[in-house]
Amino acid sequence: QSVLTQPPSVSAAPGQKVTISCSGSNSNIGNNYVSWYQQLPGTAPKLLIYDSNKRPSGIPDRFSGSKSGTSATLGITGLQTGDEADYYCGTWDSSLGGGDWVFGGGTKLTVL
Amino acid sequence: QEQLVQSGAEAKKPGASVKVSCKASGYTFTSYYMHWVRQAPGQGLEWMGVINPSGGSTSYAQKFQGRLTMTKDTSTNTVYMELSSLSSEDTAVYYCARGPNGMDVWGQGTTVTVSS
Repeated sequence: QSVLTQPPSVSAAPGQKVTISCSGSNSNIGNNYVSWYQQLPGTAPKLLIYDSNKRPSGIPDRFSGSKSGTSATLGITGLQTGDEADYYCGTWDSSLGGGDWVFGGGTKLTVL
Repeated sequence: QEQLVQSGAEAKKPGASVKVSCKASGYTFTSYYMHWVRQAPGQGLEWMGVINPSGGSTSYAQKFQGRLTMTKDTSTNTVYMELSSLSSEDTAVYYCARGPNGMDVWGQGTTVTVSS
């Protein structure tokens, strides 16, 4: 079981919008920035969002991030078939006394 | 450009150790932490630990305490991840990723297969 909870799958039609949630606690999301990653089949993950709502250079503004309390959300608008991938949230967690990084279990996005 | 290049695939027997390298280029090696993340076949991402290439301090996930060692060589801008007492459950793709907050550069991954 992952410390951060994501829905296993989401789906939407091309051109539509989808959101992916990431639920945690005060020991992780509640007190730390969240980052989001896209992993296309057979490739290394790619950073989409950092510091909860910032996009690295080169990431289109179709991708957005937000955080409220102990939950974070990734939004993708104008869905394209190329967005079909696994998406992961991640952040630091202090529940074990130190500083461990934790990932969500991942969400598979299907563009119908 | 900023890049992380990892060593090649490894095949190991149960009980053995594996050492994977990750060579950084295109940025100041000592200015960024380096995470190690693994992904078992068909599974999600699992954080293993992090090293500060500046001083060499490390932090390991509790699950790997006692059999994981991360080291660095600043003369070659390379970090290493060594995992001992391998079992079939360690079969995975291992990634290095630049941190600390948001992993913005990733290596290409190293497949480690543990089988008798």
